Amino acid sequence: EAGVAQSPRYKIIEKRQSVAFWCNPISGHATLYWYQQILGQGPKLLIQFQNNGVVDDSQLPKDRFSAERLKGVDSTLKIQPAKLEDSAVYLCASSSIQGWGYTFGSGTRLTVV
Amino acid sequence: QQPVQSPQAVILREGEDAVINCSSSKALYSVHWYRQKHGEAPVFLMILLKGGEQKGHEKISASFNEKKQQSSLYLTASQLSYSGTYFCGTGNQAGTALIFGKGTTLSVSS
Repeated sequence: EAGVAQSPRYKIIEKRQSVAFWCNPISGHATLYWYQQILGQGPKLLIQFQNNGVVDDSQLPKDRFSAERLKGVDSTLKIQPAKLEDSAVYLCASSSIQGWGYTFGSGTRLTVV
Repeated sequence: QQPVQSPQAVILREGEDAVINCSSSKALYSVHWYRQKHGEAPVFLMILLKGGEQKGHEKISASFNEKKQQSSLYLTASQLSYSGTYFCGTGNQAGTALIFGKGTTLSVSS
């Protein structure tokens, strides 16, 4: 089966600019996650979707981050405006049953300068 | 609450064994283990559920002690391909997203 697709692979922006990341999960996977991974650390959850509904966005910095999963398939994560500390790899993952093994995408490496 | 992994780093020669531990201050429903190689996405290794049995295949296995809220990953007769950073991810309830530890870096040399 095709894996989790993410784009772009890399992005460099200046602080205060906006950026958007796209994710297409494995077909049929109802649960989709966005994680932020800062260099040398474990992934940190930003938001969890079940179909097109939000299950957990308690750690999403809502003053600058937003995410949507229209139609319960692909998803977009946006940052506006970006800060230097947002430099990280943004990982999208999906799972077929809530709580089972996650399949991660290759991630988007964001550098804010 | 982020789970705590130990050790932070392990250096092995091919054929040696290693144990990586993961502990939580909260009751756990599930523990996942993932391996991430440099510049790549984490790859799922296995899941252990509350009330489940020890899991594993061939040379990689794991245990889950619900009472102690701990899990251990056992790597036997390590191979070069085992090198990478190992993360445990813990779930407190069915359906909640995983909280990942800071990782344990494993380096295997010939």
